[in-house]
Amino acid sequence: GENVEQHPSTLSVQEGDSAVIKCTYSDSASNYFPWYKQELGKRPQLIIDIRSNVGEKKDQRIAVTLNKTAKHFSLHITETQPEDSAVYFCAAKLDFGNEKLTFGTGTRLTIIP
Amino acid sequence: DTAVSQTPKYLVTQMGNDKSIKCEQNLGHDTMYWYKQDSKKFLKIMFSYNNKELIINETVPNRFSPKSPDKAHLNLHINSLELGDSAVYFCASSPQSPYAGGYEQYFGPGTRLTVT
Repeated sequence: GENVEQHPSTLSVQEGDSAVIKCTYSDSASNYFPWYKQELGKRPQLIIDIRSNVGEKKDQRIAVTLNKTAKHFSLHITETQPEDSAVYFCAAKLDFGNEKLTFGTGTRLTIIP
Repeated sequence: DTAVSQTPKYLVTQMGNDKSIKCEQNLGHDTMYWYKQDSKKFLKIMFSYNNKELIINETVPNRFSPKSPDKAHLNLHINSLELGDSAVYFCASSPQSPYAGGYEQYFGPGTRLTVT
């Protein structure tokens, strides 16, 4: 089955700086890669996703890049703000039917004011 | 309007007891899930149902029994609770196909289960 590794487990950055979280996946058949944000005490929520037919996707201050050959994908947050502090999860799945979504182990991002 | 709701939000109980968590979604989605999030924040899928039919059953002890009376509801019953069952349990739902809105999973608010 799919295995997703996520690094780092914790990350602290100064407000205004950029943050990068990296994930690798094991199953080359996976072709859908979402990122979820979970604020303290709240539910996980989708912030951005990418399918394997594109290499990069951007939405305002967040972007995701995908390298299918190397089987890794990354989340980039620019101009970080205090409200970006949360746990971020990457995930991977085969974009077909009801294949399960496999989550990474999470990255706790702290923005230092 | 709440998209995915769970009850109760908090559940404190003793070892050996039996408890249930209820989940409802009003998004019209075909697929629902139960996830367990432990103290280290790991999110692991437990079960998935599509139109009331079980499609994913991870290696979960058979003390856990999901039940889907209709496609808008997925309940989780836990027998003979153990200390290790303490966690936050999230229900989620998603459309069945990318043509119905993609595979975003909408999570409920979670149920924090504490077994003493």
